[in-house]
Amino acid sequence: DAGITQSPRHKVTETGTPVTLRCHQTENHRYMYWYRQDPGHGLRLIHYSYGVKDTDKGEVSDGYSVSRSKTEDFLLTLESATSSQTSVYFCAISTTTSGSYNEQFFGPGTRLTVL
Amino acid sequence: QQQVKQSPQSLIVQKGGISIINCAYENTAFDYFPWYQQFPGKGPALLIAIRPDVSEKKEGRFTISFNKSAKQFSLHIMDSQPGDSATYFCAASYYGGSQGNLIFGKGTKLSVKP
Repeated sequence: DAGITQSPRHKVTETGTPVTLRCHQTENHRYMYWYRQDPGHGLRLIHYSYGVKDTDKGEVSDGYSVSRSKTEDFLLTLESATSSQTSVYFCAISTTTSGSYNEQFFGPGTRLTVL
Repeated sequence: QQQVKQSPQSLIVQKGGISIINCAYENTAFDYFPWYQQFPGKGPALLIAIRPDVSEKKEGRFTISFNKSAKQFSLHIMDSQPGDSATYFCAASYYGGSQGNLIFGKGTKLSVKP
């Protein structure tokens, strides 16, 4: 599992509340990613990070923010959760270095339900 | 818009048969094509990957076939087993670190009947 943990693994929350999901890696990889997975949509990139304090938007970034203050932790925040953000969230790390292929390895996921 | 189109959405195969999943891409700059396997309740796991300098890559019962001119690649699972029942995702990216983010297909749910 490439030393990736996600917390919490399951969460139920109410519309309008803030939610933070945590991804932790043990191998000091530079690149980290947040995806959401929904039936019929596959995996869609929310945000990614290419170093401490270096982040960028993915395909479906609206309503989400991220932070990376340490190499090992990548946080995903839903400032005000909506029902459309009910999904399974996966964190991934990449073993890529600058100028190499993007081999990504995924964490176990967080199932988030927004009521 | 960069896209990877995957088919079929679902596939039922008898034990011992061959499972074939196809993907097509548009961006000719893509040069890395991985396949991921995902079991229910788990994260996707990298299964096998190919680069366009070869037309085929085989690892055990899993083979990727790549057709650069047609911009298509496929996963073949030989001697399919019930334990292969999972969702499979193809993806594509290109050389270049963070600029080469993976673009995923929408997945194929494979069921192998005993």
